[in-house]
Amino acid sequence: EPEVTQTPSHQVTQMGQEVILRCVPISNHLYFYWYRQILGQKVEFLVSFYNNEISEKSEIFDDQFSVERPDGSNFTLKIRSTKLEDSAMYFCASSLSGQSNQPQHFGDGTRLSIL
Amino acid sequence: GESVGLHLPTLSVQEGDNSIINCAYSNSASDYFIWYKQESGKGPQFIIDIRSNMDKRQGQRVTVLLNKTVKHLSLQIAATQPGDSAVYFCAENRGGGSQGNLIFGKGTKLSVKP
Repeated sequence: EPEVTQTPSHQVTQMGQEVILRCVPISNHLYFYWYRQILGQKVEFLVSFYNNEISEKSEIFDDQFSVERPDGSNFTLKIRSTKLEDSAMYFCASSLSGQSNQPQHFGDGTRLSIL
Repeated sequence: GESVGLHLPTLSVQEGDNSIINCAYSNSASDYFIWYKQESGKGPQFIIDIRSNMDKRQGQRVTVLLNKTVKHLSLQIAATQPGDSAVYFCAENRGGGSQGNLIFGKGTKLSVKP
């Protein structure tokens, strides 16, 4: 069964450094998402992306965050200057379409640890 | 506001028994709901979904019930197995043409005793 893959599985970064999290969505999916889950808390929406532009973003997704689809298969999340509170699991998801009744399929996440 | 360091509700069942996991949602405009299973170290795994024009949907060993009147969703797992042990999240889509921004619930931890 096709799946969303994310790399790396664990990223340790010094505060203030830039980090790029990578995702390969399911190949025929057109909509891509990033969520995060701080330890012990709910999964929170960050951003959705379609047709090479952001469709929707949450309050969490401030100017320090950006997303990109640099080629036909990868989808990346960049945090420009990391803060301690950015430590979390970051999940990428994709869906076949952007209709509200389409299931999103998630990767296994990248654990981001900011020191 | 959000709580910091949520303590998950826990449901403990005997192997072979049926499990019922409940979820309350807040947005009456939500028109699509999904149950996800999250095992330790893994991402949320899709289990079953239901649209707001339905009351019940069945899958393999799982049934989702939707009560829009009281904004309540439940997941029933038949003949629960040790492999069902995980955290279960309900998620709602806000509706109104939203392109899939899911709002997740707090999660329930299911423990299956052999």
